Amino acid sequence: NAGVTQTPKFQVLKTGQSMTLQCAQDMNHEYMSWYRQDPGMGLRLIHYSVGAGITDQGEVPNGYNVSRSTTEDFPLRLLSAAPSQTSVYFCASSTGTTSGGLAQYFGPGTRLLVL
Amino acid sequence: RKEVEQDPGPFNVPEGATVAFNCTYSNSASQSFFWYRQDCRKEPKLLMSVYSSGNEDGRFTAQLNRASQYISLLIRDSKLSDSATYLCVVNPRTSGSARQLTFGSGTQLTVLP
Repeated sequence: NAGVTQTPKFQVLKTGQSMTLQCAQDMNHEYMSWYRQDPGMGLRLIHYSVGAGITDQGEVPNGYNVSRSTTEDFPLRLLSAAPSQTSVYFCASSTGTTSGGLAQYFGPGTRLLVL
Repeated sequence: RKEVEQDPGPFNVPEGATVAFNCTYSNSASQSFFWYRQDCRKEPKLLMSVYSSGNEDGRFTAQLNRASQYISLLIRDSKLSDSATYLCVVNPRTSGSARQLTFGSGTQLTVLP
């Protein structure tokens, strides 16, 4: 199993550009989520999905869109990049079916710089 | 008040020392608790779940105090490889998905030779 994979690893964007961060998992996990991590802020939830076709907003959803057409994939789209979106983005997944299953497994992250 | 609060440290300890981290959470309805480890410029990785009766995994011991709403992590016989940031994680069971997790900002540990 590859676990949770993310691409790209690094990206530089100009203000106003759009892009999609890819996330895939091969563990057949129902629950997937996107976080951003900024210094001193901890991980903050952007969007999450409890299964294919179902998504919802987290704590900081503005400026981001998601979709979940398959169990495996959960891409994150930046609609019009802003410098405030410079961050490290992590995708995570879990079974979510029991209290122990709430533990999430993370991808290696995407480092995004918006100029 | 943050939902999950941790002392950011840094904690600098010599090899072989015992070190303890505490974490407090604000939502008394929280049901699930975890400690994650994050190495520099890497993704968080699950270290251990925290159970009501307390649990141990080798040199690591986790405790939960529901009355005081805090979680602790004890590391015995510290190794250089234990140097990392330790994240306290709680399932607050607030509105929205019952499977959401809230992460503390982390406590930085450096084990010195």
